[in-house]
Amino acid sequence: QKEVEQNSGPLSVPEGAIASLNCTYSDRGSQSFFWYRQYSGKSPELIMSIYSNGDQEDGRFTAQLNKASQYVSLLIRDSQPSDSATYLCAVRATNKLIFGTGTLLAVQP
Amino acid sequence: EADIYQTPRYLVIGTGKKITLECSQTMGHDKMYWYQQDPGMELHLIHYSYGVNSTEKGDLSSESTVSRIRTEHFPLTLESARPSHTSQYLCASSESGGGFGYTFGSGTRLTVV
Repeated sequence: QKEVEQNSGPLSVPEGAIASLNCTYSDRGSQSFFWYRQYSGKSPELIMSIYSNGDQEDGRFTAQLNKASQYVSLLIRDSQPSDSATYLCAVRATNKLIFGTGTLLAVQP
Repeated sequence: EADIYQTPRYLVIGTGKKITLECSQTMGHDKMYWYQQDPGMELHLIHYSYGVNSTEKGDLSSESTVSRIRTEHFPLTLESARPSHTSQYLCASSESGGGFGYTFGSGTRLTVV
């Protein structure tokens, strides 16, 4: 079992819809969770951080954390074609981040 | 402006050459990392450092070496480049403490011919 698991996708949603990206992790002691966006050929960009159970909102993005279920999600409201990218989930483990393999999101105009 | 810089952005080099990929950050971060990523594939940690004179190998075996003589500088060296080293190399840094994410540089896309 991988330490951080994501569905590779592609996840295809129509423009204006809500995109829901999911991530599970294996280390029950993890305390910090991050979502990165990576456009093709570019480097990852941090878009959300979450540390406690519940929701964390920033503009069109909402991160959700459920430590009991070891589950992190990212919701993107009013999805735009410019949101088309790979979204990486990252979980803090001891001294470094463990990254998932990423989910490819395609927003159809 | 605080940032993390990687040079060169693109590099095409012949087999057997020695190369150094540069990474510098102006944020005063103690922790720095090197990742390797092939197109459409996952990130692989190849080296990391928690401060000056501290370097560790990552999860992916690599023939590269790193040094950390100054806080802001974390270069990666390949003594003898091979076609199998063709990849994108990403440098990142973070503050100390568990609550901080990484800031990535723009990357170096290396092609060994």
